[in-house]
Amino acid sequence: GIQVEQSPPDLILQEGANSTLRCNFSDSVNNLQWFHQNPWGQLINLFYIPSGTKQNGRLSATTVATERYSLLYISSSQTTDSGVYFCAVDPPGSNYKLTFGKGTLLTVNP
Amino acid sequence: NAGVTQTPKFQVLKTGQSMTLQCAQDMNHNSMYWYRQDPGMGLRLIYYSASEGTTDKGEVPNGYNVSRLNKREFSLRLESAAPSQTSVYFCASRTGYGYTFGSGTRLTVV
Repeated sequence: GIQVEQSPPDLILQEGANSTLRCNFSDSVNNLQWFHQNPWGQLINLFYIPSGTKQNGRLSATTVATERYSLLYISSSQTTDSGVYFCAVDPPGSNYKLTFGKGTLLTVNP
Repeated sequence: NAGVTQTPKFQVLKTGQSMTLQCAQDMNHNSMYWYRQDPGMGLRLIYYSASEGTTDKGEVPNGYNVSRLNKREFSLRLESAAPSQTSVYFCASRTGYGYTFGSGTRLTVV
């Protein structure tokens, strides 16, 4: 099956810093999503981004489908950004069944 | 505006006991999913239901059964719990490329 690799596995920032999280995937995909899991375990859909660039406030994401990677940018980080960020993909033929990476654990200190 | 509701939130089972995890969504979504989350493993798909009356195996279906009782409800059953099934279980529903996750059930099998 498709492989999804996320880096770095852990990241510690001071409030106000910027960061870039990376997701590499091993095959073509119909769908790529970024999720945030907060420290209480709730999963929130951040972006649907199989290609191109999207922005939502301080967060933006870029997917280069031809090179099989996606980047999540967090600017001016806040303590509420802490948690685990997951990349998930849906290869052709998988019928919307997402395969998740192992995540990046982000800790933002005040 | 409940979204996806999972019950119970916490459960401790003895090896060999059975139980059913309940999931209900009030968004009129056709597709529903059960995932498990283990430390350092990301989320892995157990079972999937594209619509009422249909179910499909995911990556890790062994030891589990599911029932799509109606459009709202998708339950996950452990017939004979094993310590390897200690995990956090998430139910999700989908419309288009938008996924909504429940808050999870933390299950410990001793």
